[in-house]
Amino acid sequence: SAVISQKPSRDICQRGTSLTIQCQVDSQVTMMFWYRQQPGQSLTLIATANQGSEATYESGFVIDKFPISRPNLTFSTLTVSNMSPEDSSIYLCSVASTGNQPQHFGDGTRLSIL
Amino acid sequence: QQQVKQSPQSLIVQKGGISIINCAYENTAFDYFPWYQQFPGKGPALLIAIRPDVSEKKEGRFTISFNKSAKQFSLHIMDSQPGDSATYFCAASRPTGAGSYQLTFGKGTKLSVIP
Repeated sequence: SAVISQKPSRDICQRGTSLTIQCQVDSQVTMMFWYRQQPGQSLTLIATANQGSEATYESGFVIDKFPISRPNLTFSTLTVSNMSPEDSSIYLCSVASTGNQPQHFGDGTRLSIL
Repeated sequence: QQQVKQSPQSLIVQKGGISIINCAYENTAFDYFPWYQQFPGKGPALLIAIRPDVSEKKEGRFTISFNKSAKQFSLHIMDSQPGDSATYFCAASRPTGAGSYQLTFGKGTKLSVIP
């Protein structure tokens, strides 16, 4: 399966600032996804980022708060904007090579907002 | 509305025993059912998956049983080991149009295998 690297692995940020999380894959993939996971909780899909199209956001998540870039088939970024303590969470990137194929996850970015 | 219901929330099993985790779904558009294993500080790792045209899939000590008519599926871990202690998530995938798919996760089961 693909090797997925996320940067940073963790960060502590000030309220009101923004952080960009990077997701790099070692092979070309059609679909990339961004999830949020509160510690001890399940995963919630933020958005789907397919190369060549605009990201599709799930209910409760908006582009102004979570802008996403997908410049090529191996890379994507998620920005968490104007952060508040409620944004403290684990943010995970996942990838699928094509269609209805298994999703594989990175190890996540652990974000704390003071 | 939670679309994939998972139980139990936590499970304690003796070493060598069988761990069983159950999931149920409502949406008949789901057509792929993976299980993920997550260790603390790590991302979820795909463990085993099944499509609804088969009733059972086995990989080593891990078996998925799938009941399409009941819209239920379960994970069985045979000969459970302390190294299996982790959180397990069931999930269900459905097409969302334009060749894309969406995974919906259960709430997770924290498994502890005690020596």
